[in-house]
Amino acid sequence: DTAVSQTPKYLVTQMGNDKSIKCEQNLGHDTMYWYKQDSKKFLKIMFSYNNKELIINETVPNRFSPKSPDKAHLNLHINSLELGDSAVYFCASSQGDAGPSPLHFGNGTRLTVT
Amino acid sequence: SQKIEQNSEALNIQEGKTATLTCNYTNYSPAYLQWYRQDPGRGPVFLLLIRENEKEKRKERLKVTFDTTLKQSLFHITASQPADSATYLCALRHSGGYNKLIFGAGTRLAVHP
Repeated sequence: DTAVSQTPKYLVTQMGNDKSIKCEQNLGHDTMYWYKQDSKKFLKIMFSYNNKELIINETVPNRFSPKSPDKAHLNLHINSLELGDSAVYFCASSQGDAGPSPLHFGNGTRLTVT
Repeated sequence: SQKIEQNSEALNIQEGKTATLTCNYTNYSPAYLQWYRQDPGRGPVFLLLIRENEKEKRKERLKVTFDTTLKQSLFHITASQPADSATYLCALRHSGGYNKLIFGAGTRLAVHP
């Protein structure tokens, strides 16, 4: 029973296209995140939502737009894809947004832009 | 500038030995530090959390230490097994603010039979 699930697992697309990645968590957590892991394996936070409200928005191009229809879902839409967007994108959730709550990650979406 | 550094070279050890991984940070005042394990093609999995006022934390064969003077955390796996082979990431949250975890690049551990 997957706790944090993301779809698709692999996404190959051409430059200039628009794509979406979906994420769902069944842990009852209030807070969800998007992280990007680049080729050097650094995990960098992009966004965080708490109860459908955006609370963290790092310096990310505005081609990236997160959407949280409810607290169990956080989707990521990317417009006008560029080569540099190729990476693995991880969704995560945690119980709270302020305390030392461990993150529960999905298994990632590998995005390849050609 | 703020940095979290983990040994980028892989750590190779013999089964049964103790693996020790290092996480150093600069220009952070972390409220707590976490360690995660990541297997190829999978998301990180939480292992242990240690707070700024704790020196040491243990869980089964795992031990984490946290020295805020040295700005360093050590992660130990005793009696290591080939199944422990993975990449281990440290992450810290700066004092105050939201649960924004900053991750190191990780250290790959390979335990050989």
